[in-house]
Amino acid sequence: SQTIHQWPATLVQPVGSPLSLECTVEGTSNPNLYWYRQAAGRGLQLLFYSVGIGQISSEVPQNLSASRPQDRQFILSSKKLLLSDSGFYLCAWGGYSGNTIYFGEGSWLTVV
Amino acid sequence: AQSVTQLDSHVSVSEGTPVLLRCNYSSSYSPSLFWYVQHPNKGLQLLLKYTSAATLVKGINGFEAEFKKSETSFHLTKPSAHMSDAAEYFCVVSANSGGGADGLTFGKGTHLIIQP
Repeated sequence: SQTIHQWPATLVQPVGSPLSLECTVEGTSNPNLYWYRQAAGRGLQLLFYSVGIGQISSEVPQNLSASRPQDRQFILSSKKLLLSDSGFYLCAWGGYSGNTIYFGEGSWLTVV
Repeated sequence: AQSVTQLDSHVSVSEGTPVLLRCNYSSSYSPSLFWYVQHPNKGLQLLLKYTSAATLVKGINGFEAEFKKSETSFHLTKPSAHMSDAAEYFCVVSANSGGGADGLTFGKGTHLIIQP
């Protein structure tokens, strides 16, 4: 069966520091991979998605970037965090259009 | 274009009474529809999905939803609420247009409160 792992679960970082959140998927190959952000009191915002190694699409301009160095690895990064980057970040994987997506447990980021 | 509207931001019911969480959608294509549940500080878990088969879909934990094309609705129900059902619920629409990875639209969520 497929599983998705996301880490770290909780992170407190100062403004201006770098960020790296990692996500890996097991039990499937060539998945679509997603990064979402869930700010307090808001719904989910799609940040990035990837249909293959090295293929990244960004949904919104922001202080973050994503990379997919391996088929089942998806990394969310920032060179310099802003206070507004605080939130709950969710990695997800899925198949092609119309198929279900499955979420990781999420990573709480607090920028102080 | 597609959209999804969850009609209630908060729903409060007593334990043992029925649950109704309302969702309306719009889509230019034949949609797939999903309900997810999110417990505090957790990821989203799939409850059920509709993909143009039976219009009444049964999911986990006793939840079910009915796809009504004429009403463009996909309401989530459960006959008897349990304390463990207290969580945030998201309705999601996916256009079966071959558009790929970014074809999902999430509702803003409904917070379900269970009174003892």
